[in-house]
Amino acid sequence: GQQVMQIPQYQHVQEGEDFTTYCNSSTTLSNIQWYKQRPGGHPVFLIQLVKSGEVKKQKRLTFQFGEAKKNSSLHITATQTTDVGTYFCAGGSSNTGKLIFGQGTTLQVKP
Amino acid sequence: GAVVSQHPSWVICKSGTSVKIECRSLDFQATTMFWYRQFPKQSLMLMATSNEGSKATYEQGVEKDKFLINHASLTLSTLTVTSAHPEDSSFYICSASPSGRRETQYFGPGTRLLVL
Repeated sequence: GQQVMQIPQYQHVQEGEDFTTYCNSSTTLSNIQWYKQRPGGHPVFLIQLVKSGEVKKQKRLTFQFGEAKKNSSLHITATQTTDVGTYFCAGGSSNTGKLIFGQGTTLQVKP
Repeated sequence: GAVVSQHPSWVICKSGTSVKIECRSLDFQATTMFWYRQFPKQSLMLMATSNEGSKATYEQGVEKDKFLINHASLTLSTLTVTSAHPEDSSFYICSASPSGRRETQYFGPGTRLLVL
């Protein structure tokens, strides 16, 4: 079945450093979505990418969708302590509407 | 807009009892709702897809007789964990797709279940 792999599993950075998490799907995706989950909380929607090669920015966050629509990345510039949490990518299917979540990358930021 | 609620937010029950979790779309109609389970420090695993007025579709490895899903209206889906055991303790999260917008899911706040 469809699998979505995400790396790294954990990342510790010093405040001010950059951070990137990568997502790869075993199949072509109709869209990819990114979520952030704080400890003890539920996933919060960040963004959805639909087009091949699409790049979207939200302040210090940059999201990319690969040309083949099988991979994606989230890059955070100059991390802050408020960026702490687990970032999940989720591959979407236009046929079923299902989302297959990656394993998540947990970000720790040292002040 | 696009708010999804879950009730209860947390529940503790004894082994062998059944627990019902409600998922409601508060300001939109949802033809499709999804149920996920998340164990500590793990990702969200899709359990089943719930379609209004029809039987739920369960993912491989999820027991349909243990996790009963009812989607009786366009704003409410329920998940009943029957004869709960300690290994069913988890974080259960629902999401709802607005009718006609299958690629969009709005997530509820989740329900933490602890089975003693």
